[in-house]
Amino acid sequence: AQSVSQHNHHVILSEAASLELGCNYSYGGTVNLFWYVQYPGQHLQLLLKYFSGDPLVKGIKGFEAEFIKSKFSFNLRKPSVQWSDTAEYFCAVNAGAGNNRKLIWGLGTSLAVNP
Amino acid sequence: AAGVIQSPRHLIKEKRETATLKCYPIPRHDTVYWYQQGPGQDPQFLISFYEKMQSDKGSIPDRFSAQQFSDYHSELNMSSLELGDSALYFCASSPVGSRGEQFFGPGTRLTVL
Repeated sequence: AQSVSQHNHHVILSEAASLELGCNYSYGGTVNLFWYVQYPGQHLQLLLKYFSGDPLVKGIKGFEAEFIKSKFSFNLRKPSVQWSDTAEYFCAVNAGAGNNRKLIWGLGTSLAVNP
Repeated sequence: AAGVIQSPRHLIKEKRETATLKCYPIPRHDTVYWYQQGPGQDPQFLISFYEKMQSDKGSIPDRFSAQQFSDYHSELNMSSLELGDSALYFCASSPVGSRGEQFFGPGTRLTVL
């Protein structure tokens, strides 16, 4: 069965520290990859996505992610985090074809940034 | 830009009561998804509809049912509510030609007392 694993469940950083959140998926075919963010008390918002092309994608708020096909990974990065980045981060994968747009979700990583 | 609308935003019910949650997708989005998110948990996929037909089913209890109407809005009906049903219920929608990208609504917070 397809699955998504996020390696870090809880991450605590100080402001200006660099961030990398790991995401690996299990599916051998073509995938569409997403990172969503959920700020405290808010709904899920798309941070960035990868469909094809340049494996390094840039999203909102200075986030980027790199798709490494050989490692089945789509890690999220930010060079310098801010207190406002405190949130829950979810990696999600769509491995369907045609009209199957179901997302397989990771369990999420809770990021706390200390001012 | 138009977003996914959910109503009500908050709902308080007693055990064994019923509840109906509504979702209005972004215009021209043809797929609707329902998720349940318990406190501190990841979103659990419940059910989805594509062009008014059920397209996928997740961990939706038998006490719950859902449908998508001709105007593409969707309703999640929950009966015999239990304390464990207290959660945030998100609706998301996808446009035609989407590759899995989902746009989420603000959610309905259901509290069962």
